[in-house]
Amino acid sequence: DADVTQTPRNRITKTGKRIMLECSQTKGHDRMYWYRQDPGLGLRLIYYSFDVKDINKGEISDGYSVSRQAQAKFSLSLESAIPNQTALYFCATSDPGAGGNQPQHFGDGTRLSIL
Amino acid sequence: AQSVTQLGSHVSVSEGALVLLRCNYSSSVPPYLFWYVQYPNQGLQLLLKYTSAATLVKGINGFEAEFKKSETSFHLTKPSAHMSDAAEYFCAVSTPNTGNQFYFGTGTSLTVIP
Repeated sequence: DADVTQTPRNRITKTGKRIMLECSQTKGHDRMYWYRQDPGLGLRLIYYSFDVKDINKGEISDGYSVSRQAQAKFSLSLESAIPNQTALYFCATSDPGAGGNQPQHFGDGTRLSIL
Repeated sequence: AQSVTQLGSHVSVSEGALVLLRCNYSSSVPPYLFWYVQYPNQGLQLLLKYTSAATLVKGINGFEAEFKKSETSFHLTKPSAHMSDAAEYFCAVSTPNTGNQFYFGTGTSLTVIP
């Protein structure tokens, strides 16, 4: 089984709909992240959480919200989806490590299309 | 602020040839540097990381990278390309003074020609 699981893997929806993307992990990591990937732009950070009570905005948080339900679960919501939110979304986790030098571990992504 | 530049969004090499993917970073403090690979329909997989130990870092699948502070570079190399190396490659930088957020480059798509 995957260490970082994202559901759904694919989603097609309409403008204005509310969408929730879910992420769960079995790695026991405190830190979790949501990114979006667009062709030619690499990965951009949407939100991150260093523990259950800690939520932080990333580079492109407008139009998104998150919830950290437990150490192992971190969900991303689009309250009213718009077409330019069509992208590939990734969840990642990491251990703080010594001085924060630990790599991030990624799920397989959710491909979201908004019509 | 931290940033990463990957020169060349597309690189093509012949099977058996040297692979060189370029990454330059900007950081006001000593960085941690990472290379990831992404195969189609998959997430990012860690290839290797530099965290202030040896400047020449060896990773999985025969890849290695060398941290050069004077050139602010962390280029990825592999002596002999294999067809299975065709993928998207991302360089990332992280530093303690930015909460260890990762800043990713825009990626380099590697094509291996038979």
